[in-house]
Amino acid sequence: EDQVTQSPEALRLQEGESSSLNCSYTVSGLRGLFWYRQDPGKGPEFLFTLYSAGEEKEKERLKATLTKKESFLHITAPKPEDSATYLCAVQRGGGSQGNLIFGKGTKLSVKP
Amino acid sequence: DGGITQSPKYLFRKEGQNVTLSCEQNLNHDAMYWYRQDPGQGLRLIYYSQIVNDFQKGDIAEGYSVSREKKESFPLTVTSAQKNPTAFYLCASSFRMGASSNQPQHFGDGTRLSIL
Repeated sequence: EDQVTQSPEALRLQEGESSSLNCSYTVSGLRGLFWYRQDPGKGPEFLFTLYSAGEEKEKERLKATLTKKESFLHITAPKPEDSATYLCAVQRGGGSQGNLIFGKGTKLSVKP
Repeated sequence: DGGITQSPKYLFRKEGQNVTLSCEQNLNHDAMYWYRQDPGQGLRLIYYSQIVNDFQKGDIAEGYSVSREKKESFPLTVTSAQKNPTAFYLCASSFRMGASSNQPQHFGDGTRLSIL
């Protein structure tokens, strides 16, 4: 069964304290892995797409990496404005072309 | 500015009532999607449409219906058959998926539906 698991469920950091969020997946025919940021009461905001193992993408304090079984979202020297829920999704291949499977998210809180 | 507009932001449904959630996009995207988000759960796909006048059921389509008469619009009706409709509903759109393309989905800001 296709599945996406994110850990931890919640993460509290002090401002400037770097850490990583994990997204592990089992899916047949992975065609892409996506990271989103979601603020309370808002829709998810697209951050990154990763296609193949070894790939890395960066945006400001965020860096996403991908292996054959998991992806990490590294947050370097976070600021309070980085507080949000981070969602990971994988794109199925085969008959469900294009459809995404989402993890439950990691809620990040960054305290000043 | 291009984007996805969902309305209303909040919606209340009475017992036995059908309600329709609006989703409009001006991104010239071919594909549109509806998801349901419940506390502590990942987004779950309700329906999706890759082109006008065509749509497919997602993982939790029971109690919902959709139409795709225009490229820009993909309304979702929550019918009285949906016994647990209270949730946050998200609409998304993307360029059409192809054999070699992996287009990200972009989301609206959601409609929160509650039972009266």
